[in-house]
Amino acid sequence: DVKVTQSSRYLVKRTGEKVFLECVQDMDHENMFWYRQDPGLGLRLIYFSYDVKMKEKGDIPEGYSVSREKKERFSLILESASTNQTSMYLCASSAYIGSLSSYEQYFGPGTRLTVT
Amino acid sequence: QQQVKQSPQSLIVQKGGISIINCAYENTAFDYFPWYQQFPGKGPALLIAIRPDVSEKKEGRFTISFNKSAKQFSLHIMDSQPGDSATYFCAASMGSSNTGKLIFGQGTTLQVKP
Repeated sequence: DVKVTQSSRYLVKRTGEKVFLECVQDMDHENMFWYRQDPGLGLRLIYFSYDVKMKEKGDIPEGYSVSREKKERFSLILESASTNQTSMYLCASSAYIGSLSSYEQYFGPGTRLTVT
Repeated sequence: QQQVKQSPQSLIVQKGGISIINCAYENTAFDYFPWYQQFPGKGPALLIAIRPDVSEKKEGRFTISFNKSAKQFSLHIMDSQPGDSATYFCAASMGSSNTGKLIFGQGTTLQVKP
């Protein structure tokens, strides 16, 4: 079974703090993703990475950065946390599924971040 | 246009009823349409997926109907059960992509009443 783990389930931080969210996958997947989930807005892509040290901006990268120093680990960094970054953050990795002729994404359980 | 529009935002169905969630897209280059299911406290997981060369795909009580000309697809849950209560996301991607990047809809929260 593919396993994607996230370092924290719940996190409370103060405005202006630097926040690190860690994600680890154990299936040697090339591609990894960070999303934020907000009610009524669905899953919005923040950043994704298609290889070690390679990254691309998603739809809402402002206020975030990422790091991928090792294949299995993808970190999301909030440089200076703000209250509008209070959200559920989901990490995923993807693998090609031949029977689908496409990729399946495997998600971690999420980190609920509150910025006060 | 990269958006996928999903409706309704929330849905309440009686046990045994049919749940229907609809999605629409604009980009005709999309060629893979999965549905993800998310239970409270969990990340989303792939439920069922379809490619545009077929108009319908059925897996157990879950069916995707696909209308290529209308650029719409929908998820039907037959004989809905309380255990189906979850948030459902439709998504789309281009098969030519080698990253597995998905465009997700806004999500539908389904509650099945006993």
